[in-house]
Amino acid sequence: EAQVTQNPRYLITVTGKKLTVTCSQNMNHEYMSWYRQDPGLGLRQIYYSMNVEVTDKGDVPEGYKVSRKEKRNFPLILESPSPNQTSLYFCASSSPTRRGRTGELFFGEGSRLTVL
Amino acid sequence: AQSVAQPEDQVNVAEGNPLTVKCTYSVSGNPYLFWYVQYPNRGLQFLLKYITGDNLVKGSYGFEAEFNKSQTSFHLKKPSALVSDSALYFCAVRDPFLGGYNKLIFGAGTRLAVHP
Repeated sequence: EAQVTQNPRYLITVTGKKLTVTCSQNMNHEYMSWYRQDPGLGLRQIYYSMNVEVTDKGDVPEGYKVSRKEKRNFPLILESPSPNQTSLYFCASSSPTRRGRTGELFFGEGSRLTVL
Repeated sequence: AQSVAQPEDQVNVAEGNPLTVKCTYSVSGNPYLFWYVQYPNRGLQFLLKYITGDNLVKGSYGFEAEFNKSQTSFHLKKPSALVSDSALYFCAVRDPFLGGYNKLIFGAGTRLAVHP
C-alpha cells in the first residue's frame, strides 16, 4: 500500500530535549516536505527536499533541521524544542507534476507534539 | 505572493442538502488549485485539483469544485451532504516559485458539520 509513515504519532517532551520525528515513504517520490498545522493558520511549510541531499527552508524553518540521506526518508529534527513548537506536524511527498502524474501531495497521518 | 482564503471557519449543513465550502485565491500566473480533507486524527487526503481545462472538476467521494477565473474562486461543492462528510477541509494553491515545485499554500481550513 502506498503510504507516508510518521513516527511517533504522539509525543510529549520538555523544553530543550532533542527529538526526531521520522518520515518514510514507499512511493519512490523525489519531493518530500514537512508542514506544521496550527489552528486558524492552516498548514505552513517548514522544510522541503527536492531529492537526496537537496534540502531547503520553507516558510517557518526556525528551530528545525532536516536531512535527506536516502530517497525514502526525511526526518525532522528539533535540536532544542520550545513550547512554541507545540503543533501537529505532517510529512508529505509527491512526484513532479508531469504528463501522466498527478503531482498532488501525499500526507502522513501526523505527529502531535507537545513541548512543556 | 500566492495566497488562499477560506472565509468561513465553519459550515453547517443538514444531511441530504447541497453543500458549498468557499475558497478564493491570489496567484501570479496560472493557478494550480487543490482541495484536501482531514478527518479526526488523520492526515490530509486529496480530494481534487484544477490545473487546466474544464472549470468543473470532479473528485473523490462525490465532491466537485468550480474554478471561476473572474472571481478568483474555487468553491467545493457536493449535491447531497452525508454525515460522514463532516471533517476539516483545506483549499490550497501550488506555489512553484518557492518551496519546491510541489509546495502548497493552504487556507486556514473550514470545518464542515453535517447534521442528521
